[in-house]
Amino acid sequence: QQQVKQSPQSLIVQKGGIPIINCAYENTAFDYFPWYQQFPGKGPALLIAIRPDVSEKKEGRFTISFNKSAKQFSLHIMDSQPGDSATYFCAARGGSYIPTFGRGTSLIVHP
Amino acid sequence: DAGITQSPRHKVTETGTPVTLRCHQTENHRYMYWYRQDPGHGLRLIHYSYGVKDTDKGEVSDGYSVSRSKTEDFLLTLESATSSQTSVYFCAISEQGSTGELFFGEGSRLTVL
Repeated sequence: QQQVKQSPQSLIVQKGGIPIINCAYENTAFDYFPWYQQFPGKGPALLIAIRPDVSEKKEGRFTISFNKSAKQFSLHIMDSQPGDSATYFCAARGGSYIPTFGRGTSLIVHP
Repeated sequence: DAGITQSPRHKVTETGTPVTLRCHQTENHRYMYWYRQDPGHGLRLIHYSYGVKDTDKGEVSDGYSVSRSKTEDFLLTLESATSSQTSVYFCAISEQGSTGELFFGEGSRLTVL
């Protein structure tokens, strides 16, 4: 059973576009929602994270929107650049220290 | 960058042979994890450790074993490699805390022929 559902699986946008990646979860015990970014040939790295007591968090061009009642959260990348081309994973973590990952979204930003 | 080293980075082996992947950390973090990454499946947890000699299974542990005899080293062993274990394996570390951010190694690509 997939506890964190991520969509779309792949996404292609033009430079300057705003790609949006969505995640949904079922377990209401989750209380921490990080996003990881992975470049080809590298391991994932933490990009941005949010807790359910806020509805939005921004760090530079990256924004997480969180809807607690719908149990959904999403990543928006403003003014996307070719250097943002990567695989993005959402995750959720609850009482245990082990996050549950979505299946990933491969983003390509064309120049 | 977090001090995590995985070895070997690439390995080709034959079905039925044992394989050991090593993860070495210099951060003295308590928690260590092994994930496998496959297209369409994302990151799946194989085994994890919450201290020396303390390990537990993840969601895809069949065919894998682990050992942690020192804080800095976490070994993943494929007892008898199969083609379905062809994958990229990532080690990660974390310290329990408010975020428990995972720091990942650069991966070990294993091909089982």
